[in-house]
Amino acid sequence: EADIYQTPRYLVIGTGKKITLECSQTMGHDKMYWYQQDPGMELHLIHYSYGVNSTEKGDLSSESTVSRIRTEHFPLTLESARPSHTSQYLCASSEGPRLGQFNSPLHFGNGTRLTVT
Amino acid sequence: GQQLNQSPQSMFIQEGEDVSMNCTSSSIFNTWLWYKQDPGEGPVLLIALYKAGELTSNGRLTAQFGITRKDSFLNISASIPSDVGIYFCAGRFGYGQNFVFGPGTRLSVLP
Repeated sequence: EADIYQTPRYLVIGTGKKITLECSQTMGHDKMYWYQQDPGMELHLIHYSYGVNSTEKGDLSSESTVSRIRTEHFPLTLESARPSHTSQYLCASSEGPRLGQFNSPLHFGNGTRLTVT
Repeated sequence: GQQLNQSPQSMFIQEGEDVSMNCTSSSIFNTWLWYKQDPGEGPVLLIALYKAGELTSNGRLTAQFGITRKDSFLNISASIPSDVGIYFCAGRFGYGQNFVFGPGTRLSVLP
């Protein structure tokens, strides 16, 4: 069973607010990811990290930023939320990319459902 | 970029029936993953496949890594109501590359 936690589960905020979505994992995984998903739709990778002090942009352009100061923690920040940011945000982690761990599957948290009014 | 197609997009079946869905790619993949997502939850890993031709089971679920390495199949036997959800496939075409996700197959089970 994967141990990856996201808070808050639900968040409703007004336009222009700064928010940080939290993600923590207790498995010691090096790789962590953020996906954006509209309800019932496909997942889009917005950020990922290979390890501490490593962050990369994903396939989908996003106005959010991430940081990776500790292995277990990968927060996502929106400096100024807009209604177009309304979506579900899923955090995931996997082992690797050390030798022998290239094929490790992703383990997901339960997501944060964000609504910007 | 890499794209995955899943079929069918949605399906309605009777409880007790078997289910079959597939995932195809225009590129050769070296890893296939199958996930199930319940409403409001994160995807949960069902089966991981690492070798062409590999057939792996997890309870009533069986998945296969296509021999061409461009497709994968997921079968569910004797469906039950809790099988309802969205099933996503994900594939990776190179070591160290990120996974690409399909658009999902929505499964409804009628009592």
